[in-house]
Amino acid sequence: DAGITQSPRHKVTETGTPVTLRCHQTENHRYMYWYRQDPGHGLRLIHYSYGVKDTDKGEVSDGYSVSRSKTEDFLLTLESATSSQTSVYFCAISVREMGPEAFFGQGTRLTVV
Amino acid sequence: SQKIEQNSEALNIQEGKTATLTCNYTNYSPAYLQWYRQDPGRGPVFLLLIRENEKEKRKERLKVTFDTTLKQSLFHITASQPADSATYLCALDLIGGGQNFVFGPGTRLSVLP
Repeated sequence: DAGITQSPRHKVTETGTPVTLRCHQTENHRYMYWYRQDPGHGLRLIHYSYGVKDTDKGEVSDGYSVSRSKTEDFLLTLESATSSQTSVYFCAISVREMGPEAFFGQGTRLTVV
Repeated sequence: SQKIEQNSEALNIQEGKTATLTCNYTNYSPAYLQWYRQDPGRGPVFLLLIRENEKEKRKERLKVTFDTTLKQSLFHITASQPADSATYLCALDLIGGGQNFVFGPGTRLSVLP
């Protein structure tokens, strides 16, 4: 998994509560991404980062915020969780200097009840 | 509207045959097209990429073709094995630098012994 750790791996939370997912990489790569994966939709980009404090929105960013205060950590926050945010969340990195492919973490399964 | 589709949700083939998966897209101009493998409960794993000016790429038993006129990529696994059973995702790399991938919904391949 290219030195990518996601935590937690599983979480159940209640509607309306804030939730933070963490992605940690050991290689100090510049580009990091958060995706969600839902049946029939494939992977959809939520937010990405191209460096410390440099982030941008993806296709499905509403209801999510991110922060990157250190190169190795990229945090995804659901400000007030809703049932529609029940999904599997994947963090990814890309190593631009070596090629455009992405390397993914193992995912976090989030259930909002 | 922009769309990326994979030919079927599921594909069953006999061991030893060639599996052919299709990825079609509309209203995108990708710099690269990538293929990933995803096993249940795991993150996607990069397999192959092909550039917009390439027609074909091979890696061991895998072959990818890319037709930018038809806006289609074909992914072939020759001499398929039960261990090839997984979901295969195609991804368009729109900027050529990994900043924005768009993923297809995936095809679940089952290779029957």
